[in-house]
Amino acid sequence: GQNIDQPTEMTATEGAIVQINCTYQTSGFNGLFWYQQHAGEAPTFLSYNVLDGLEEKGRFSSFLSRSKGYSYLLLKELQMKDSASYLCAVLDSNYQLIWGAGTKLIIKP
Amino acid sequence: GAVVSQHPSWVICKSGTSVKIECRSLDFQATTMFWYRQFPKQSLMLMATSNEGSKATYEQGVEKDKFLINHASLTLSTLTVTSAHPEDSSFYICSARLERETYEQYFGPGTRLTVT
Repeated sequence: GQNIDQPTEMTATEGAIVQINCTYQTSGFNGLFWYQQHAGEAPTFLSYNVLDGLEEKGRFSSFLSRSKGYSYLLLKELQMKDSASYLCAVLDSNYQLIWGAGTKLIIKP
Repeated sequence: GAVVSQHPSWVICKSGTSVKIECRSLDFQATTMFWYRQFPKQSLMLMATSNEGSKATYEQGVEKDKFLINHASLTLSTLTVTSAHPEDSSFYICSARLERETYEQYFGPGTRLTVT
């Protein structure tokens, strides 16, 4: 079966750095997405990785290792507005998105 | 670019009635759209894949006769919840897929349905 694992909840301090991990086992791989979802709102696109390595986009970076079935989202200089759920999703061989359950990130002052 | 709208943003209806939710891609054409449902504090659950000009593909456990999907044009898909019951109360979100190499999905703002 297809499976995506990420921690249920994480807590971090404003101004700090946090890394949210995602491991996956899917039938085929055509890329990995990270989305941010604030409570009561729809998800918004953060990043896409299809090749191994680190993609940096401002305060957010996303890393992928296809051989390990592993990705992480790195958030730097945390702000209170970063409190949200972060969803990892993998595009499988049929170009269907397989979603993780999401990681709720709580930022404390 | 890649803006998706959804209407209505929230709706309250009585048990037994039907509710239609519209999903529109405003600045691009979407051959494929998706309908998700999300209960409080839970993850997204894919309900169905909507294909322009053909029948929708429903996920296991989703009743196609209860959740009617129509994708009549490249910019509009509709979800009709028929004979709604209180357990259908949820946050319904649509997304439209960009048909390019990344196949990323852009989400509408969601529709909060409450059935009384």
